[in-house]
Amino acid sequence: GNSVTQMEGPVTLSEEAFLTINCTYTATGYPSLFWYVQYPGEGLQLLLKATKADDKGSNKGFEATYRKETTSFHLEKGSVQVSDSAVYFCALHSGNTGKLIFGQGTTLQVKP
Amino acid sequence: ETGVTQTPRHLVMGMTNKKSLKCEQHLGHNAMYWYKQSAKKPLELMFVYSLEERVENNSVPSRFSPECPNSSHLFLHLHTLQPEDSALYLCASSQEGGTRTDTQYFGPGTRLTVL
Repeated sequence: GNSVTQMEGPVTLSEEAFLTINCTYTATGYPSLFWYVQYPGEGLQLLLKATKADDKGSNKGFEATYRKETTSFHLEKGSVQVSDSAVYFCALHSGNTGKLIFGQGTTLQVKP
Repeated sequence: ETGVTQTPRHLVMGMTNKKSLKCEQHLGHNAMYWYKQSAKKPLELMFVYSLEERVENNSVPSRFSPECPNSSHLFLHLHTLQPEDSALYLCASSQEGGTRTDTQYFGPGTRLTVL
């Protein structure tokens, strides 16, 4: 079945450090891939998405590239800020089931 | 208002109470969803509605009863809940529900505590 695996957290970084959160997936067919972010006390917000291989999604300085050969969609940011502290969820949508499959979430803590 | 709104934001109820959660989307979408988010567990999809018809019920106990009177509103009726039902309940909506490029947009959630 379809599944998403994210790196274990929490990830703790200093401000202006480089961020990578790993995400790999298992899916039949050609899924769309998403990153959502959840700030403390809030719901999930769509951060970025990619719908086909080699697409790069980007938003607010975050980027992720859809790599079919490695079945990955790693999230990166060149310089994190304290305000980026949140839980980040990788997800896929394969279309055939209509379901969005989420990873377990990775907590990011950025210290000043 | 824009996006997806949920009320109330916080709810405390006893096991014998009956309450309802409300979700409203202002995006013109045709599909709506209920998710449960518990501590230390992945998000669990509970129900999916497409064009006001329920198309998914993920083995959710009958003490949770969804209602979708129109494409903009979704309710989750709660009765005789258990303490383990305490969680953040998230509502989402999307344009279509069935295609792989369909994007879900989430509300802020209702934090439910069952005493």
